[in-house]
Amino acid sequence: GAVVSQHPSWVICKSGTSVKIECRSLDFQATTMFWYRQFPKQSLMLMATSNEGSKATYEQGVEKDKFLINHASLTLSTLTVTSAHPEDSSFYICSAQTRGGRSYNEQFFGPGTRLTVL
Amino acid sequence: DAKTTQPPSMDCAEGRAANLPCNHSTISGNEYVYWYRQIHSQGPQYIIHGLKNNETNEMASLIITEDRKSSTLILPHATLRDTAVYYCIVDSGGSNYKLTFGKGTLLTVNP
Repeated sequence: GAVVSQHPSWVICKSGTSVKIECRSLDFQATTMFWYRQFPKQSLMLMATSNEGSKATYEQGVEKDKFLINHASLTLSTLTVTSAHPEDSSFYICSAQTRGGRSYNEQFFGPGTRLTVL
Repeated sequence: DAKTTQPPSMDCAEGRAANLPCNHSTISGNEYVYWYRQIHSQGPQYIIHGLKNNETNEMASLIITEDRKSSTLILPHATLRDTAVYYCIVDSGGSNYKLTFGKGTLLTVNP
């Protein structure tokens, strides 16, 4: 099956610093990638939808200037948490959607990145 | 808001079948039913999806009622590694479409 990787798998940073998380589709081209955030004991919440070569679409309540998303190629999307604060500590998960004329929504998820801001 | 309703938790004995229900009474004709699961501290894993007919793959079976207002995911022989949160999602498919995750069902498989 299709594989999506994330790097790093976990990161600890100081408050005020920026952190970049990479999401790669390893064996397929992803026209669309999605970024989710998950707080402890809660479900996944979609943050933004990213299409290759265009600006990301952010969900309501997600600050686009704080969570910078770049989808520069069909296999790579990055999420940068700028000026991170402790409340940004969370589990960040990406997913990738393949090209094709499928009528159903096929997404493949990465393993997640645990961000801890001190 | 999620379009599905699932019990918050269920228990199952190892080796027995796990039957996870999902209500989606407002499902539209072009919406698929998807099941994903999430093992603790991992990304979600796709299990199965269906539109109208029952489906089976190497992981599970999906039984969709004739009126499509509910479905059941069946893990035929649950193992301890099947302990996870199971999410039932309805979606109209196509590209560039986001999945909305509800709270899911925490399935605990007991030895």
